[in-house]
Amino acid sequence: EIVMTQSPATLSVSPGERATLSCRASQSVSSDLAWYQHKPGQAPRVLIYGASTRATGIPARFSGSGSGTEFTLTISSLQSEDFAVYYCQQYNNWPRTFGQGTKVEVK
Amino acid sequence: EVQLVESGGGLVQPGGSLTLSCAASGFIFSSHNMHWVRQAPGRGLEWLSFISPTGNVIHYADSVKGRFTISRDSAKSALYLQMDSLRAEDTAVYYCATPLNPTGDLCFYWGQGTLVTVSS
Repeated sequence: EIVMTQSPATLSVSPGERATLSCRASQSVSSDLAWYQHKPGQAPRVLIYGASTRATGIPARFSGSGSGTEFTLTISSLQSEDFAVYYCQQYNNWPRTFGQGTKVEVK
Repeated sequence: EVQLVESGGGLVQPGGSLTLSCAASGFIFSSHNMHWVRQAPGRGLEWLSFISPTGNVIHYADSVKGRFTISRDSAKSALYLQMDSLRAEDTAVYYCATPLNPTGDLCFYWGQGTLVTVSS
């Protein structure tokens, strides 16, 4: 199975600052990579798919990049509602696999 | 409005069985791929299983292969997860999910989850 490794595990950021999250795949997943946001007590939400396409209704401050094995999610200016856990997921191979998550917390 | 409502969670002893259900509405269930995903306490999301619209394509995570069985009933717009030989490490909130497009890959719409606790 493809192992997805996210870094860092925790990111401490002040509101208004930029956050950069990384995701690495153990083998190429082409651009079949999605980013999810997950808040406690809520269902996860798709932010980005195809490595760089924002899902409907997702603010422009969220952007994704990368292909192959290296991917990045950037939040350009963190808002209070963005503090959450973020997961990457590959959907290139079975089984589908998630990264272990990056928690974005208030600095 | 797309709605996915999981049920069937609860307390079960190690080695026991449980069947989860996911009631779907607001979309053409019979055309949609469906997934199960779980989150153990303090852990991340773990993809578990996939079933195609007709049920002819099924995939499992290695951690549940041979113990869990996914199925669906289009007449009832329902998705199921039969869980056998349960272990303490299967304790988690279980979510069903479906893509935005029927044959898509993403877990776009999610239910709110049902908690399964495996303990003696």
